[in-house]
Amino acid sequence: GENVEQHPSTLSVQEGDSAVIKCTYSDSASNYFPWYKQELGKRPQLIIDIRSNVGEKKDQRIAVTLNKTAKHFSLHITETQPEDSAVYFCAASRGSWGKLQFGAGTQVVVTP
Amino acid sequence: DAGVIQSPRHEVTEMGQEVTLRCKPISGHDYLFWYRQTMMRGLELLIYFNNNVPIDDSGMPEDRFSAKMPNASFSTLKIQPSEPRDSAVYFCASGGALNTEAFFGQGTRLTVV
Repeated sequence: GENVEQHPSTLSVQEGDSAVIKCTYSDSASNYFPWYKQELGKRPQLIIDIRSNVGEKKDQRIAVTLNKTAKHFSLHITETQPEDSAVYFCAASRGSWGKLQFGAGTQVVVTP
Repeated sequence: DAGVIQSPRHEVTEMGQEVTLRCKPISGHDYLFWYRQTMMRGLELLIYFNNNVPIDDSGMPEDRFSAKMPNASFSTLKIQPSEPRDSAVYFCASGGALNTEAFFGQGTRLTVV
C-alpha cells in the first residue's frame, strides 16, 4: 500500500519568514495530493490540493509543488503569520480514492 | 449545511463497555470515512463507505470494531468491548466525488479507563 513520509516533524519560523514542508510517497499510481491544516483541538481542514497532471499550484501565501518522477511534493507558506501555527498533514491517494494515506504531520510554530 | 456532525464530542467509558460513535455526513456526499487519530499512529483510515456500502475496512484494527451505514445520512462506529488502547480522537469525514476535499467532523474524543 501507499506510504507517505513527512519532514520535518516540527518547524519553528519567525513571523514573516517562509516555511517549507516536504513529503514523499511510495505508490507511483497516486494522483491526488491534499494538504490539511489542524489547529489544536480542532478538525483537519483542507488548505490546498494538487493533482498529478499539475506541477505547481498557488493560493495566496500557500503553494504546493509536485515532482512525480521523484515522488515527492512540498508545501510552501510565505510571509508566515502567527495564525499559521498548526499541525500540517500531507496525504496521497490513487484514482480509486478512499485510501487517503496521511503523513505523520508537521508542527509549525510561528513566533512573532 | 451544518457540515459533518459527530456525537458525542467526548466519551469516557470503562474498559469492557460498548461504545457507539455517531456521524451525520454532509447531505449529498456519497463517501463517508472513519479515521482514528493518536499521537503514536497519526491519522489512520479505519473504514470507508460509498453510497452506504462498505468499500474497504482493512484499517479496522480488530473484530471489536464494527461500522454501519444504514442510510445516506447516518453512520455508526461501534467498539465492543472497549479497551484503554482504543483511547483516541475518532473523526468522521465525508466527500462528494473522487479526489476532492474530505470534510471532517469535529471528532469524538474517546477515553477508555
